[in-house]
Amino acid sequence: GEDVEQSLFLSVREGDSSVINCTYTDSSSTYLYWYKQEPGAGLQLLTYIFSNMDMKQDQRLTVLLNKKDKHLSLRIADTQTGDSAIYFCAESMVRDDKIIFGKGTRLHILP
Amino acid sequence: EAGVAQSPRYKIIEKRQSVAFWCNPISGHATLYWYQQILGQGPKLLIQFQNNGVVDDSQLPKDRFSAERLKGVDSTLKIQPAKLEDSAVYLCASSLGGGGSPLHFGNGTRLTVT
Repeated sequence: GEDVEQSLFLSVREGDSSVINCTYTDSSSTYLYWYKQEPGAGLQLLTYIFSNMDMKQDQRLTVLLNKKDKHLSLRIADTQTGDSAIYFCAESMVRDDKIIFGKGTRLHILP
Repeated sequence: EAGVAQSPRYKIIEKRQSVAFWCNPISGHATLYWYQQILGQGPKLLIQFQNNGVVDDSQLPKDRFSAERLKGVDSTLKIQPAKLEDSAVYLCASSLGGGGSPLHFGNGTRLTVT
């Protein structure tokens, strides 16, 4: 079946790195995404990685993909108060172009 | 480039009433999605359109929910009659279509059913 799992909560000190983890079940996924949702807003695409890649870096964001373990992570370097939000992992399916979301990880920034 | 537009932003209705939401996708985006996001959960796909045809509506409660995308551009989602458990944020998203095209989301409509 199709399922995307994330831990629900992460607390990090300002200036430290945040690492948000995700596992998925469908080995036929084409792309894996990270979206950010701030209060009262829709989902904002942060970054995405094609399933034949291992890593993608974009400024403070680093995405790591372990295809063998079906594990995806998002690292945010030098975490700032503006990074406080809910982060959703999502996978797209080859067969039907459907995108499945996890339940989201709420990132809380400590001063 | 203008983003995905949704209206209204908020709606409060009583159970058994009807409600409709409107979405205008990004210009040129062939695929349009309606998602339901219940508090504390990730978005759940209700219906996916490719141009004006339905690709997937397997999770749409068809006894009370309906959606259309006339002329392959704007879309409306209707609930009739509403139940308490329909309280959620209804998100519209669009994409160019084709494998791996990222979704672009609107800000959603927050529905409260009392």
